[in-house]
Formats: sequence, structure tokens, C-alpha cells
Amino acid sequence: LAKITQPISMDSYEGQEVNITCSHNNIATNDYITWYQQFPSQGPRFIIQGYKTKVTNEVASLFIPADRKSSTLSLPRVSLSDTAVYYCLVGDMEYGNKLVFGAGTILRVKS
Amino acid sequence: GAVVSQHPSWVICKSGTSVKIECRSLDFQATTMFWYRQFPKQSLMLMATSNEGSKATYEQGVEKDKFLINHASLTLSTLTVTSAHPEDSSFYICSARQNYNQPQHFGDGTRLSIL
Repeated sequence: LAKITQPISMDSYEGQEVNITCSHNNIATNDYITWYQQFPSQGPRFIIQGYKTKVTNEVASLFIPADRKSSTLSLPRVSLSDTAVYYCLVGDMEYGNKLVFGAGTILRVKS
Repeated sequence: GAVVSQHPSWVICKSGTSVKIECRSLDFQATTMFWYRQFPKQSLMLMATSNEGSKATYEQGVEKDKFLINHASLTLSTLTVTSAHPEDSSFYICSARQNYNQPQHFGDGTRLSIL
């Protein structure tokens, strides 16, 4: 399983763009990169998933360089409600797709 | 879409009681469901993976006789904590996946407190 490294915490202000970078040096060929958001006492919520280059949806963008050894989750114009823990996960899309959660990044958005 | 419902959301019971937690995929069929536990201020820890109609695969260190998992249909998986003790108190979260190239979608968890 790929070893994941992401910052323990980040602070931002409302309206700013936030970029959270995740390192996964030993990502395997079949692995996808998935980001989840978790609020206290709730289950994680799927944000975005990608394999390479750039993926964008209505809430975030995911940038993956050609070597795929890192990825960056970009949250445009964050608000106070974006304060949460963000998990970067790398998993095999074949049998099982077992996800191993790391410590995650605590994002604090201030007014 | 992709809604996963977990029930109950919160349960308190006496030591020695067995507790069943249900996980349902409401708007899709889940070929695979996963069970996690999470202690305060810690990350999620995968307990087991279950495929519909098959026995669950447990992670190392998770007692299969303690945590019984049943995945009887494509929309329902249950986790039974047998003879629960205070150290089993935790936040249990399930997730479901429609097929191998789809992401996991999580329920909102069950807070289990054993007195």
C-alpha cells in the first residue's frame, strides 16, 4: 500500500483558495487518488477522485503530475463550513479497493 | 445519489450486550461494503471488507468472532459487536461501493458507548 504524507494542519481565511498537497511516492500503477472530507461525528464525504492530470467537479479540483507521486486538492474560495479534516487516499481500483486512511489534514477556515 | 444510511446513529448499552449496526445503500447496489472504527481525534481504521454473499475479510488484529459481519444483500450489511465491553466503545462507520471503479460512499457512523 502506498505511503501517504500530507500536512497535519492548515489555516486559511474565508474566500481564499486552499491547496492541500499529498505525497504518495510509491503509488502503484493501478492506484487511484481519492480525497474525502470529514466533519466531527460524521462519516467521510467523497470530494474527488482522479488517476492523472487534472480533474474538476463542482466543489474542487485535483491536480496530479505526470509521475503521480503527489497530488494537490484545490478548494476555491473556502468558507467557514469547509473547516474539516481532509483525507488523501490511494487505492487499487481492482479487487477490494481497500482504502487506508492516514492522519489527514485539519483545515481551519477563519473569518 | 450514492446515499449510505447507517442505523442506529447512537447507542448506549450495558457491558455484555450484543449490538447490531445496519448499513444500507439507499440508491445503488453495493457489491462491496466496508466497516471502519474511529477513536476520538484519530483516523479511520478499516476493520473488514465484505462482498455480497461471501464471508467478510477481516484486517489483521480484528477478531472475527467479536465483530460479526453479514452482507446478505446488495443493499444491506450488518455489523454485530458481540458481548460488547467498554473498550469496544467507538465510532463505527460503514461504506459502500457500487463496483470496483467507483469510490466508496460512507454512512454517518454509529456512536457506540458501552457502560
